[in-house]
This record gives sequence, structure tokens and C-alpha cells, in this order.
Amino acid sequence: KQEVTQIPAALSVPEGENLVLNCSFTDSAIYNLQWFRQDPGKGLTSLLLIQSSQREQTSGRLNASLDKSSGRSTLYIAASQPGDSATYLCAVIGRGSARQLTFGSGTQLTVLP
Amino acid sequence: GAGVSQTPSNKVTEKGKYVELRCDPISGHTALYWYRQSLGQGPEFLIYFQGTGAADDSGLPNDRFFAVRPEGSVSTLKIQRTERGDSAVYLCASSLTGGAGFDTQYFGPGTRLTVL
Repeated sequence: KQEVTQIPAALSVPEGENLVLNCSFTDSAIYNLQWFRQDPGKGLTSLLLIQSSQREQTSGRLNASLDKSSGRSTLYIAASQPGDSATYLCAVIGRGSARQLTFGSGTQLTVLP
Repeated sequence: GAGVSQTPSNKVTEKGKYVELRCDPISGHTALYWYRQSLGQGPEFLIYFQGTGAADDSGLPNDRFFAVRPEGSVSTLKIQRTERGDSAVYLCASSLTGGAGFDTQYFGPGTRLTVL
């Protein structure tokens, strides 16, 4: 059974810092990996989707990398801002699991002004 | 509407009661998913529809949970004889085709269910 782990569970940084969030998964047979953002009381917003054949994706200040063989992904946030404060979730779609996303428990990020 | 909508946003019920949660996906999306999120955890998969049929219901925890999508658009998640352990946020998502490699799932705001 696929398991997704995110470290750290919570992170607090001052505004302007660059930071890295980590995600690991136990079964490397995946279709893709996605990073989501969740704000309190709201649904999930997809940030980046990396297909299994890709190594990274970039969107603005966000860069996500994927090392499928080692079961790891990182989300890099450059020049963090207070508006980046949210919970960040990574999720994979495994090749044996139809279309369901398997999520980690998330990293709660606080960017202090 | 531009996004996935869910109603109600909050539902409080008593143990043993029946509840229905509604999801209205993005227009034209053929795939629809239900997830459940407990406090401090990531969402857990419940069921996936492709069109009107449940393509994968392996995540439903027991037979008190049932979902339908009769016309291939709106879906209703039904919970019978609710228990306190059913309290969670129920999230719905839709995607254009359900293609696993490239198809982004778009999530609604969720329904927070509280069973007293």
C-alpha cells in the first residue's frame, strides 16, 4: 500500500527566506505527483503536477522536483511571503490505484512578516 | 460556476441520523472523486466516478456509506446511521477525463460534518 510522508509537519520562517518542503512515498510506481495548497476552511488548490517522466516543474516562485527512483519530491519556495502561509500537501497517483490520490499529512507553513 | 461547489458547507447531526452531502463538479468534467479529511491529516480517497458509474469504491469505509451520480454530473454522498467517527471534512473533486498521468483534480471547499 502506498504511503506518503511529509516532513516537517510544521514550519515557521521569517518573510523573504527560501524554504524547502519534503515529501517521500514508498512505491515508486506512480503516474504523477502533485503539490497542493490548503487554506483554513477551504478546499485544495493544485500548485504543480509532475508526471512520472519529468524531473521538475516550475511556477513563479515555486519549483517542485521529483526523484521517482528514491521516492522523493521537494517543493522549493523562493522569497517567501506572509501570503504563502497555508498547509502544503503532496499527493501521488499510483499505477495500481486507478485514479485516486494518496496524500501526505501536509506541512503547515507560517511566514512571519 | 467556475469551480467545484459543495453543499452544505457545514452539517451538524446527531448520532444515528442519515445525511446527504452534495457535490456539483466543474461543467464538462467526466470524472468525480470523494475524499474525507480528518483533522491534521491529508484527504483519504473514498470513491471515484467516471460518468454515471462508480469506477472505484474501494475507499468507502463500510456499507453505511453510499454515493450516486445518476446523470453524470451532480453527485450525492449518503451516510446512514452516522457515528461520531464520521465527523470530518468531506471533499469533492472533479477532473476533465480521469486520465491518471496528466489530469488535474480540482477540489471543492468541502462539507464539514459534525456528528454529536
